[in-house]
Amino acid sequence: KTQVEQSPQSLVVRQGENCVLQCNYSVTPDNHLRWFKQDTGKGLVSLTVLVHENDKTSNGRYSATLDKDAKHSTLHITATLLDDTATYICVVGSFSNTDKVVFGTGTRLQVSP
Amino acid sequence: EAAVTQSPRNKVTVTGGNVTLSCRQTNSHNYMYWYRQDTGHGLRLIHYSYGAGNLQIGDVPDGYKATRTTQEDFFLLLELASPSQTSLYFCASSEDRGGYAEQFFGPGTRLTVL
Repeated sequence: KTQVEQSPQSLVVRQGENCVLQCNYSVTPDNHLRWFKQDTGKGLVSLTVLVHENDKTSNGRYSATLDKDAKHSTLHITATLLDDTATYICVVGSFSNTDKVVFGTGTRLQVSP
Repeated sequence: EAAVTQSPRNKVTVTGGNVTLSCRQTNSHNYMYWYRQDTGHGLRLIHYSYGAGNLQIGDVPDGYKATRTTQEDFFLLLELASPSQTSLYFCASSEDRGGYAEQFFGPGTRLTVL
């Protein structure tokens, strides 16, 4: 079973619209959750990291929330730009003797003119 | 200047071929990682290292060797490449293994095994 599930798999929005990406996970323990942006054919770039129960973070037009009880996170993108076209990947990390990180499969966002 | 670089960016080989993927980081990070990315899967960890001469097995190590020659350089070796190893390979580095340590990724190497 996939330990980090992201939805939707793909999404198309018009430039200027807002969108919300979801991440549900079953990783235990869930010590931190990070959102990455991956432009087509490029490496991953960190957008934000959430650590505490009910954490909320903001990074420009990107904001994220974490609900550890529900094992759920959301990434909000406001006033989308064409440059926001990318795959957004949720990663859950555990503090343990293996210090494991588990990657989601990503949400492919396309912003149209 | 990019802190994690990979070479080559694209590679085509034949089944049974010998391939070496290179990664260099200038972050002075202790940890380096090799991942593969395939459609329908999140990034999967092949091998990682916490310093020169060290190698740790990841989650999908079969068919891969790796070597960390210096703090900066980490190599992934496919000695008998198979079509199932066709993938997009990413190298990353981080200050620490666990905790909130952010991983910094290279641009990726696309490998095709015919």
